[in-house]
Amino acid sequence: GAGVSQSPSNKVTEKGKDVELRCDPISGHTALYWYRQSLGQGLEFLIYFQGNSAPDKSGLPSDRFSAERTGGSVSTLTIQRTQQEDSAVYLCASSASGTAAYEQYFGPGTRLTVT
Amino acid sequence: EDKVVQSPLSLVVHEGDTVTLNCSYEVTNFRSLLWYKQEKKAPTFLFMLTSSGIEKKSGRLSSILDKKELFSILNITATQTGDSAVYLCAVRTSGSRLTFGEGTQLTVNP
Repeated sequence: GAGVSQSPSNKVTEKGKDVELRCDPISGHTALYWYRQSLGQGLEFLIYFQGNSAPDKSGLPSDRFSAERTGGSVSTLTIQRTQQEDSAVYLCASSASGTAAYEQYFGPGTRLTVT
Repeated sequence: EDKVVQSPLSLVVHEGDTVTLNCSYEVTNFRSLLWYKQEKKAPTFLFMLTSSGIEKKSGRLSSILDKKELFSILNITATQTGDSAVYLCAVRTSGSRLTFGEGTQLTVNP
């Protein structure tokens, strides 16, 4: 595709439910990142995938958060037993390489609201 | 813990004014500093800086990095209403993760 796409664009869920957020990176990009942005806050790193290497999960805030990247392309961020503090915009980004100085292209984000 | 601090957090100016946005950082394994403009949801890339003292320019925007004092500035001259946005500073460290500052909300009034 022309850019990074994410779905859904908006998600409202009840506290305690599980949610899945999807990211389609730019074709050919080997690096994929997930961030979240809470209201009035900067972007917070969550997880980073680079090719077939083990992902950098150091930013995941709790074990309720997990992510996978199938076939080196599409990624899914899963939040189990959602809490109200999980409400945020979840942004995905991809870049041509994770190790070189390449810019990250961001998707439009998924706005998650936990009620 | 890596830390990026931006100032001011909010700025309101009139069209035609010049603004300077600040970004300071304390990180291990610094690789580069990036500036993004965020108008709605997706940040768009502005500059990437890796060397001290070399100014990057794009139209009315320019940026410079000081690796000794650990800061960067983003200048916007002759501001326009279309410059209204949140400007994010991020530092790339080992593993290519980005640590972002809180952003500066710039409002340019006509």
